[in-house]
Amino acid sequence: DAGVTQSPTHLIKTRGQQVTLRCSPKSGHDTVSWYQQALGQGPQFIFQYYEEEERQRGNFPDRFSGHQFPNYSSELNVNALLLGDSALYLCASSYGAEAFFGQGTRLTVV
Amino acid sequence: GIQVEQSPPDLILQEGANSTLRCNFSDSVNNLQWFHQNPWGQLINLFYIPSGTKQNGRLSATTVATERYSLLYISSSQTTDSGVYFCAVHFSGYALNFGKGTSLLVTP
Repeated sequence: DAGVTQSPTHLIKTRGQQVTLRCSPKSGHDTVSWYQQALGQGPQFIFQYYEEEERQRGNFPDRFSGHQFPNYSSELNVNALLLGDSALYLCASSYGAEAFFGQGTRLTVV
Repeated sequence: GIQVEQSPPDLILQEGANSTLRCNFSDSVNNLQWFHQNPWGQLINLFYIPSGTKQNGRLSATTVATERYSLLYISSSQTTDSGVYFCAVHFSGYALNFGKGTSLLVTP
C-alpha cells in the first residue's frame, strides 16, 4: 500500500505566480483534505473534498481552490502567491474518521 | 472558540526516560488523533483514540472525553522519538483542529 503521496516535495515560486499541488490518497480512501502548516505552528485546515465536491472550507481566501478527480486524487491551487503563503502543505486522506497524511509539499514564495 | 492546548510546549529527555504529553480540548469531540511529525515534515499516525486507552509498544494513550483531555505516554524514550507531537481533534464538521504541538528532544 503506497499510502498518501504528494507532489512535488519542494517548490519555489515568485510572488504573484500560481501553483498547483497534487495528492493521491491512500488506497480505499475517498476523502481528501488539505492543510497549511507555517513554521513552528500546527497544521491549519484549508478544505476537504468528498465525491468531487468541496465539503467544508476553513478560513482561507478564495485564492485557495481545489479539485477532486473521479479516482479520488486531488489538486490544491493557489493564485496570486504572497510571501505569507510560504509553508508546508499537507494532504490527508480518510475513509471514515481516521486521517492519514502525506509527506507534504514545502512551498517557498520569493 | 474551539481550542486545543498541548503541554508542555518543549521537553528535553535523556534516553531511557519516560514522559507524559497532555492535550486539553474545549468541547466534546468526535475524533482525536495523536501524530508524530518527523524532521522531514511527515505526520505519522500514532493513535486514533476518541475515548479509552490504547497501547502500541513503548507508546500508550488515554482519552477521557468527559473531562476533555488526552494523554500520550512515552516509555524508555529513544533518540528516534525526537520530533514534534501533535494532538488533533474533530469537534463537529470534518476539519481536524491541531494543537501547537510538543517539541521533544531525546539526548543520548
